[in-house]
Amino acid sequence: GQQVMQIPQYQHVQEGEDFTTYCNSSTTLSNIQWYKQRPGGHPVFLIQLVKSGEVKKQKRLTFQFGEAKKNSSLHITATQTTDVGTYFCAGRTGNQFYFGTGTSLTVIP
Amino acid sequence: DAMVIQNPRYQVTQFGKPVTLSCSQTLNHNVMYWYQQKSSQAPKLLFHYYDKDFNNEADTPDNFQSRRPNTSFCFLDIRSPGLGDAAMYLCATSRGGTYNEQFFGPGTRLTVL
Repeated sequence: GQQVMQIPQYQHVQEGEDFTTYCNSSTTLSNIQWYKQRPGGHPVFLIQLVKSGEVKKQKRLTFQFGEAKKNSSLHITATQTTDVGTYFCAGRTGNQFYFGTGTSLTVIP
Repeated sequence: DAMVIQNPRYQVTQFGKPVTLSCSQTLNHNVMYWYQQKSSQAPKLLFHYYDKDFNNEADTPDNFQSRRPNTSFCFLDIRSPGLGDAAMYLCATSRGGTYNEQFFGPGTRLTVL
């Protein structure tokens, strides 16, 4: 069945280091969304990408959608302690919508 | 402030005892979703309403039902909770087409004794 996998599952970084999470789908996605969920919180929408090869930036965050629309990445430059949380990609394929498995980011001050 | 509200935030029920979780929204969004999220896992979509049209995910157990009496409110009914149904239940809304940017409520944590 459809799976949206993310790697790594966990990442510990020193504050100031960069961080990247990768999202891979077994099927082509119509779009890709990224959400952040703080510990004990609920998912919060970050961005949506629709076009093949699309790149979007939000301050220190860079989002990419792969050419084949099966993968995506989120890169954070110079992490801060406020970046702590789990980052989920989520995508639509046909009439179905799946969240990725998530990457839990810990930032060590 | 416009928002998605879930009540209660914590719910304890007994094995097999029906329970209803509530969600309301002041965003006037036409799509409402229910997700189940277990510890350290991704949210799993159970079903959604596009306006009044109910859309059930293929693998959502029959034990889970939903009602949407009007635009603002949506309910999740668990007819006979099992121990495996203990989880965080998240309500979300979106505007326009299905699976657009989703706004999540704070969730209801369900404990089954």
